[in-house]
Amino acid sequence: EVQLSESGGGLVQPGGSLRLSCAVSGFTFSNYAVTWVRQAPGKGLVWVSTISATGGATYYADSVEGRFTISRDNSENTLFLEMSDLRVGDTAVYYCAKAAVQSRGWFDWYFDLWGRGTLVTVSP
Amino acid sequence: QSVLTQPPSASGTPGQRVSISCSGSDSNIGARSVYWYQQLPGTAPKLLIHTNDQRPSGVPDRFSGSKSGTSASLAISGLRSEDEGDYFCAAWDDSVTGPHWEFGGGTKLTVL
Repeated sequence: EVQLSESGGGLVQPGGSLRLSCAVSGFTFSNYAVTWVRQAPGKGLVWVSTISATGGATYYADSVEGRFTISRDNSENTLFLEMSDLRVGDTAVYYCAKAAVQSRGWFDWYFDLWGRGTLVTVSP
Repeated sequence: QSVLTQPPSASGTPGQRVSISCSGSDSNIGARSVYWYQQLPGTAPKLLIHTNDQRPSGVPDRFSGSKSGTSASLAISGLRSEDEGDYFCAAWDDSVTGPHWEFGGGTKLTVL
């Protein structure tokens, strides 16, 4: 069974840093791109970042470019999101999700299976 | 302000057919496939439609997707109470700052 499990969320002050992890199982992690998507309380889904299967290509939303870094450890089946200079507006549940297809091209990726999310709260 | 535009709400009675629209532009829906996600209260999003009109295994055929030009639509027939939740369209946008995976603002579906 495919599983994705996020961790690392919590309460942090504005300007602080946090590292999220997404542990996966049930599929060959190194063959698939993966992504982070967030959802502020009561709001819609917002894409954060995506990383290719090898980690050689990364993509970011304009709102987090330069502050967040996506990475992966294929030997440990884990996806990461390093977040710095956090703002109140970054408060959200952060989901990780896997691409549905094994493709090198971002234009082919879509995300079929999601974790349950981890809550990040940025507050003074 | 989302790049993809959805109506904030939709409603129908059990058994009815409901349609949710998603409007984009040449750099996203006009050039790429559209995807639809269902998010029931308190749960993670679930992929409902991929590649414009394809249903993943396990998704009932009551759900269907279509795309024309820079717009897409999700239709739900034989509406059920358990369909109540939020629905999001998504597509890649080849923006000037690089590829971005964009979501619509979401449509809250109420089954009356």
